[in-house]
Amino acid sequence: EAGVVQSPRYKIIEKKQPVAFWCNPISGHNTLYWYRQNLGQGPELLIRYENEEAVDDSQLPKDRFSAERLKGVDSTLKIQPAELGDSAVYLCASSLDRVAAQYFGPGTRLTVL
Amino acid sequence: GQQLNQSPQSMFIQEGEDVSMNCTSSSIFNTWLWYKQEPGEGPVLLIALYKAGELTSNGRLTAQFGITRKDSFLNISASIPSDVGIYFCAGDDTGANSKLTFGKGITLSVRP
Repeated sequence: EAGVVQSPRYKIIEKKQPVAFWCNPISGHNTLYWYRQNLGQGPELLIRYENEEAVDDSQLPKDRFSAERLKGVDSTLKIQPAELGDSAVYLCASSLDRVAAQYFGPGTRLTVL
Repeated sequence: GQQLNQSPQSMFIQEGEDVSMNCTSSSIFNTWLWYKQEPGEGPVLLIALYKAGELTSNGRLTAQFGITRKDSFLNISASIPSDVGIYFCAGDDTGANSKLTFGKGITLSVRP
């Protein structure tokens, strides 16, 4: 069974540029999560989807971050414009449902110059 | 907010030794998860615990969900070089608005 797929794996951009990350969850997983992981820290939740509905986006900086999961399968996370402090690893995870264990993708390492 | 404490930040052991890692919380959790992360990769689920007192094994790994629901431990027996990585605990109270809270991780080094 394929795991969570993320692309790109690495992205280097200049500040004020836009950037987008893509995630395809494990087949059949209804719940999808986006996390940000700073160096030396554990992942921190940005947004959680139940199917196509964003049910928890309280940690998402909405002035510059947006996300969508239009058909309830794959998802895109966008930052526009990027700031230096956005440099981090962006992780996508999925689970069968809200209480099931979460499985992570390999992440996208973003560097903002 | 909820915080998970993992310490020490780093552990150094000899190949073949057993190692135990603790995770404590100021809040009660209904689910405890242990993940391992290697450089350039996402966290990989090792063990999931869903009931207080539960003891679960996965090969050389054993984890327990503390009966107070505020702690968990992970044991690795007979360590090998490929056990090197960062071990994260994560807790979830599984309420409607809860989220998975991660510790800061413990970096494990294994000397051959």
